[in-house]
Amino acid sequence: AQTVTQSQPEMSVQEAETVTLSCTYDTSESDYYLFWYKQPPSRQMILVIRQEAYKQQNATENRFSVNFQKAAKSFSLKISDSQLGDAAMYFCAYRTPQTGANNLFFGTGTRLTVIP
Amino acid sequence: GAGVSQTPSNKVTEKGKYVELRCDPISGHTALYWYRQSLGQGPEFLIYFQGTGAADDSGLPNDRFFAVRPEGSVSTLKIQRTERGDSAVYLCASSPPGLQSGQFFGPGTRLTVL
Repeated sequence: AQTVTQSQPEMSVQEAETVTLSCTYDTSESDYYLFWYKQPPSRQMILVIRQEAYKQQNATENRFSVNFQKAAKSFSLKISDSQLGDAAMYFCAYRTPQTGANNLFFGTGTRLTVIP
Repeated sequence: GAGVSQTPSNKVTEKGKYVELRCDPISGHTALYWYRQSLGQGPEFLIYFQGTGAADDSGLPNDRFFAVRPEGSVSTLKIQRTERGDSAVYLCASSPPGLQSGQFFGPGTRLTVL
């Protein structure tokens, strides 16, 4: 079974600074999808960014970017110019491309605090 | 458009009771997922529907848990003989066709079993 590990239970960053959240995963598959989700206190999981494993180019969405290292099975999230609204739990997730097995495997999350 | 909605937002019940949790997916999304999130943990997969049928129910913890999606839209998660260990946030997600799509989550139902 796939496992996703987030080794940083908590992180903090000064407003306007940059922070990187770590994620590693274990899989024997060569093609898969990776996601970062944000969960604010409202509980709603919000998709931040996605990466297809067959794409070598790192995904970017405005202030959010990833560092995808396929050989190392690492998928870190970089948040630039951190804003107070970025404070939340962040979850890394893995999905197999196999038909009929579309569920996400989540890590345990990293709580991000943004300091004004 | 409207996002995924879940009702109720919070549910408090007594041990041994039966509960139903409802999920309204985004219109046009063929896939629907249920996850359970315990305190301090990431969501854990319960069941996945493609249309009306359960394509994968391998995450259901035991036979007290059951889910339906009779018309391929709204889904109901049913828990019989609730136990205190069932207390968690139950999240529903939906996604459009295509494996590259992310899943869109609802706000969840917080279930508390006393």
